[in-house]
Amino acid sequence: SQKIEQNSEALNIQEGKTATLTCNYTNYSPAYLQWYRQDPGRGPVFLLLIRENEKEKRKERLKVTFDTTLKQSLFHITASQPADSATYLCALEGDMRFGAGTRLTVKP
Amino acid sequence: DGGITQSPKYLFRKEGQNVTLSCEQNLNHDAMYWYRQDPGQGLRLIYYSQIVNDFQKGDIAEGYSVSREKKESFPLTVTSAQKNPTAFYLCASSIKLGLAGANTGELFFGEGSRLTVL
Repeated sequence: SQKIEQNSEALNIQEGKTATLTCNYTNYSPAYLQWYRQDPGRGPVFLLLIRENEKEKRKERLKVTFDTTLKQSLFHITASQPADSATYLCALEGDMRFGAGTRLTVKP
Repeated sequence: DGGITQSPKYLFRKEGQNVTLSCEQNLNHDAMYWYRQDPGQGLRLIYYSQIVNDFQKGDIAEGYSVSREKKESFPLTVTSAQKNPTAFYLCASSIKLGLAGANTGELFFGEGSRLTVL
């Protein structure tokens, strides 16, 4: 299986700012990539899926990009709120494995 | 409501004892998975099953066993051979795996079972 890297273990930002989280992979480009949110003591919840032929996907304040040349996906939360504080995980199609996650804290 | 249910939510075990964690889904999903999560760390794949009566080892299968006798059930047994079993265990399911083994859908997770070995 290939390696999935989420570069930042933790990210702290001020409310209202845009949070940008990174997911890199090492080998073949997957057909799609998924992003999940996990709150403490809970199971992850699916947020977005982006396919390799999609450069960008949006859902409300969330935006995901997928660059197969860079082997990277970026996950953006615009107009961040304290309620967005959680750990965000990426996962690759076919691999059933997750990155270590980035713990986002949005401060009021 | 459709979903995936794990039980118990909290479990305490003495060293040397086997313990079985339950995972049941009514989503009619073919694929089911078990993950382990340690504090501050990501999910690590223990076992997965694509179809009834078949399952494969993940990255950390040693000290664990599973069965898949029914489509809706995928119990995980943590055996006494598991050296460091204290962890948060997550079960998940997804729709049928597609061609070439590709996962075609999102994973639905249960609420987790927290196992503590005393």
